Amino acid sequence: GGIITQTPKFLIGQEGQKLTLKCQQNFNHDTMYWYRQDSGKGLRLIYYSITENDLQKGDLSEGYDASREKKSSFSLTVTSAQKNEMAVFLCASSIDRNTGQLYFGEGSKLTVL
Amino acid sequence: GEQVEQRPPHLSVREGDSAVITCTYTDPNSYYFFWYKQEPGASLQLLMKVFSSTEINEGQGFTVLLNKKDKRLSLNLTAAHPGDSAAYFCAVSAASSSFSKLVFGQGTSLSVVP
Repeated sequence: GGIITQTPKFLIGQEGQKLTLKCQQNFNHDTMYWYRQDSGKGLRLIYYSITENDLQKGDLSEGYDASREKKSSFSLTVTSAQKNEMAVFLCASSIDRNTGQLYFGEGSKLTVL
Repeated sequence: GEQVEQRPPHLSVREGDSAVITCTYTDPNSYYFFWYKQEPGASLQLLMKVFSSTEINEGQGFTVLLNKKDKRLSLNLTAAHPGDSAAYFCAVSAASSSFSKLVFGQGTSLSVVP
């Protein structure tokens, strides 16, 4: 089996600050994803990457940047954190981009003061 | 695009009772359906993957029903126990595109009371 590791698990930032979340997977999966999880709203796709150096915008990409410099890692940057923003960011990877079966990390919880 | 509605948002049942969570979707071309379970502080774990060709899918302690005519997917936990307390998410994808994007339901927080 494999594992998806997200760092940090908790991130506290100031309004306007640029904040970066990191994700590593050892499944050797090609496709990786970043989702935002808000209470009562399910998971919304921010960015995904089909292969190394590929980036595709999801439904919620405004205010975020992403980077896929290696097959095993996928980073997400909040370009300017908004005050009172609180959400959990989930990284995932998939064995097959056509069937949609995802494997998730444990999440990174963001709090903006 | 695809929209998925999941109900109820919160559900509390007694141990031994059944619990039913339902998702409705809009895209008739949807082909793969998933149920994920998320325990507190943990990642989402795949509970079951369903293909559009199968209407009834049975797992350990639960049944997943797919009604393509009504575009409805349901998760039925039979004889729920406290270990079933978690958040549950349905997800729907269409395989017609070269990239299959999952659309998630809003989630259901299930509490099983001893």
